[in-house]
Amino acid sequence: KQEVTQIPAALSVPEGENLVLNCSFTDSAIYNLQWFRQDPGKGLTSLLLIQSSQREQTSGRLNASLDKSSGRSTLYIAASQPGDSATYLCAGGDSNYQLIWGAGTKLIIKP
Amino acid sequence: GAGVSQSPSNKVTEKGKDVELRCDPISGHTALYWYRQSLGQGLEFLIYFQGNSAPDKSGLPSDRFSAERTGGSVSTLTIQRTQQEDSAVYLCASSLDAYSYEQYFGPGTRLTVT
Repeated sequence: KQEVTQIPAALSVPEGENLVLNCSFTDSAIYNLQWFRQDPGKGLTSLLLIQSSQREQTSGRLNASLDKSSGRSTLYIAASQPGDSATYLCAGGDSNYQLIWGAGTKLIIKP
Repeated sequence: GAGVSQSPSNKVTEKGKDVELRCDPISGHTALYWYRQSLGQGLEFLIYFQGNSAPDKSGLPSDRFSAERTGGSVSTLTIQRTQQEDSAVYLCASSLDAYSYEQYFGPGTRLTVT
């Protein structure tokens, strides 16, 4: 059974720093890996989706990588801004088109 | 176009009462998903619909939970005889079809059972 873990549960860094959020999964038979952002009182917004055949995806200051062999994905945020403060969740897609979710990393960017 | 909408945004209810949560998906999306998110936890899958049918009800935590979808659009999640452990944020998402991993989420309904 696929399990997705995100460490740390919370992270606080000064504005301007580059940072990495981690996501690990137990079953390498993953169809894709997505990163979402969740703001308080709002739903989830998809940031990046990496297909199993891909190694990384980039959008603006965000870069997500996928290493199936090691069961890891990372979300790299460059030049962090206070507006990046949110909870970031990763989710792995399985063969039944279902998403298996991590518990999230709460990110705080201090001005 | 409009995104996924959910109502109510907040619901406080007494233990033992029934509640109904509503989800209005993006127009044209045939797949609809219900999740539950407890404080500090990831999303727990409850049920999904493809059209009006629910191929997978495995995530419903007990027989107090039920969901229906009519007309291939609006869905309601009903929780009967609510318990305090039902307190959570209930999120709804929709996608073009059940073969797409790209899900679009509503803002959620925060349910508090007192």
